[in-house]
Amino acid sequence: DAGVIQSPRHEVTEMGQEVTLRCKPISGHNSLFWYRQTMMRGLELLIYFNNNVPIDDSGMPEDRFSAKMPNASFSTLKIQPSEPRDSAVYFCASSYESGNQPQHFGDGTRLSIL
Amino acid sequence: AQTVTQSQPEMSVQEAETVTLSCTYDTSENNYYLFWYKQPPSRQMILVIRQEAYKQQNATENRFSVNFQKAAKSFSLKISDSQLGDTAMYFCAFMKHGGAQKLVFGQGTRLTINP
Repeated sequence: DAGVIQSPRHEVTEMGQEVTLRCKPISGHNSLFWYRQTMMRGLELLIYFNNNVPIDDSGMPEDRFSAKMPNASFSTLKIQPSEPRDSAVYFCASSYESGNQPQHFGDGTRLSIL
Repeated sequence: AQTVTQSQPEMSVQEAETVTLSCTYDTSENNYYLFWYKQPPSRQMILVIRQEAYKQQNATENRFSVNFQKAAKSFSLKISDSQLGDTAMYFCAFMKHGGAQKLVFGQGTRLTINP
């Protein structure tokens, strides 16, 4: 089975530009998570979806960040406008709903905002 | 709110030795799950082992085992016969049972296995 697929793997852009990160969860998984990893703050949950519906977005840092899940096989995390402090590795993870099922992570997108 | 603490920022051992990584957590929940994830230089987050709080028996996965002390809120990871490929960041994580499936991570321990 294919794992969680994220694109792009790396993104370098100038501040003020719109950035869109993409994620395809594992087929059959109905929960999807977006995490951000930085040296200062470690791994933080930004938002999570269950059955395509956002359940907890309390980790989304500002209105510049938005996430969508239009169907069970695709999600996006968008930053508009981007700022240098948004530079981080962004992970997408998916799992089956039951809590004892582990989250499977994608390879992450390393985002650099110049 | 739950917190997870990994008190060892870095550790280093020789190949074939046994190493133990520490993790403590704080929660008022009675039922929850604990995980160890490995992040090698390739950046992947790989599940190493998981423990369900209602199970008294410590989880094991080949060379990896945990020492789960519920009363002490401690969840250490033991790696036996360490291998060069075990070199990675290791993250301890907590998830409460039911409700939001939110993983709360510790800050990580950088483990280096020396030849």
